[in-house]
Amino acid sequence: SQTIHQWPATLVQPVGSPLSLECTVEGTSNPNLYWYRQAAGRGLQLLFYSVGIGQISSEVPQNLSASRPQDRQFILSSKKLLLSDSGFYLCAWSHGKGTSGRVNYNEQFFGPGTRLTVL
Amino acid sequence: GIQVEQSPPDLILQEGANSTLRCNFSDSVNNLQWFHQNPWGQLINLFYIPSGTKQNGRLSATTVATERYSLLYISSSQTTDSGVYFCAVRSPETSGSRLTFGEGTQLTVNP
Repeated sequence: SQTIHQWPATLVQPVGSPLSLECTVEGTSNPNLYWYRQAAGRGLQLLFYSVGIGQISSEVPQNLSASRPQDRQFILSSKKLLLSDSGFYLCAWSHGKGTSGRVNYNEQFFGPGTRLTVL
Repeated sequence: GIQVEQSPPDLILQEGANSTLRCNFSDSVNNLQWFHQNPWGQLINLFYIPSGTKQNGRLSATTVATERYSLLYISSSQTTDSGVYFCAVRSPETSGSRLTFGEGTQLTVNP
């Protein structure tokens, strides 16, 4: 079965410091990967998604960037954090094209999240 | 883009009561998912239901795609059902694979 990991679970960082959040998926190949942010406990907003290594699409302009150095690894980064970057960051995956067996290609599965506080 | 509206925003129940949560969406969809966010923030997949009816224990869901709404039924509620319930959809017109989330229903089940 597939599992998704995120770390760290919580993070407190000063304004202006760099950021690196990591997400890895096990048990599947060539997944689609996503970064979402949740502010104030309601409504998630998609930040980035990736359909393959090195392929990143950005949904909203912001202070963050994403990279996918390996098939099942997705990294969210910032060079200088802002107060407004605080929030709950969730990574998600869905089956990529070419997955064998009966799967729902659109169904997304979420990781445990990283709670980021910028002070 | 597609709009998602959930109701009610807040719901307080006594243990054992039944409830219905609603999700309205503004365009045709090829993905609709219901999630439960637990107190630790984890999003638990409840249903993948772009159309039709599904049941899983005390929970069931129905999506009427032609009328652009979905309902989540919780029967014999328990305190562990507390949390935020999200509906999320994807339209075939949406680029990429973005799920658009509603603002959620905060459910509190009291003992």
